Amino acid sequence: AQKITQTQPGMFVQEKEAVTLDCTYDTSDPSYGLFWYKQPSSGEMIFLIYQGSYDQQNATEGRYSLNFQKARKSANLVISASQLGDSAMYFCAMREGKGGGSNYKLTFGKGTLLTVNP
Amino acid sequence: ETGVTQTPRHLVMGMTNKKSLKCEQHLGHNAMYWYKQSAKKPLELMFVYNFKEQTENNSVPSRFSPECPNSSHLFLHLHTLQPEDSALYLCASSETGRGYTFGSGTRLTVV
Repeated sequence: AQKITQTQPGMFVQEKEAVTLDCTYDTSDPSYGLFWYKQPSSGEMIFLIYQGSYDQQNATEGRYSLNFQKARKSANLVISASQLGDSAMYFCAMREGKGGGSNYKLTFGKGTLLTVNP
Repeated sequence: ETGVTQTPRHLVMGMTNKKSLKCEQHLGHNAMYWYKQSAKKPLELMFVYNFKEQTENNSVPSRFSPECPNSSHLFLHLHTLQPEDSALYLCASSETGRGYTFGSGTRLTVV
């Protein structure tokens, strides 16, 4: 079974509008972390936002927010006021266990290609 | 500058060649990773090094040979590759449980 599922292969949004990218996850570990990364065509993976399983509030980082619904095991990324530079692949990822230390594994979804139209 | 530098950015090699990918991080992290990203597949973890010691080999074929001489440098030695090994190879480093820092990747084409 897939641990991270991103059901939207591609999404389109008009510039200045908000968009939600879906992510569901599967784990039996009570302690985990959820991440979103952006990958432009250049290839680099850029960290966007993090949500810990015990965090009480949804994470926010500038125009990015994470809609964390623990009971549904979903961690959707919301991008507000889309910009042309937001066009890229977006990956949801999960770390199982408490993390800490310096060595841990991330499991990635297949990604969603977001295109922002002018 | 992301703090993780990968060279070369692009590499074309024949199936009988031997080449190496290099990764260098300037962040003081103690763990480094190699990931493979093929078209239309999730990122696949290949190797993990923690304090220069290999802690994970994710059933990677022996034609891929990693080397970690110190906590700042990570290499991936390639020999007798197959065309299906063509992919983007990403290096990452980490220190805490909150996220990796990735390099820009090496786009490898095996002909």
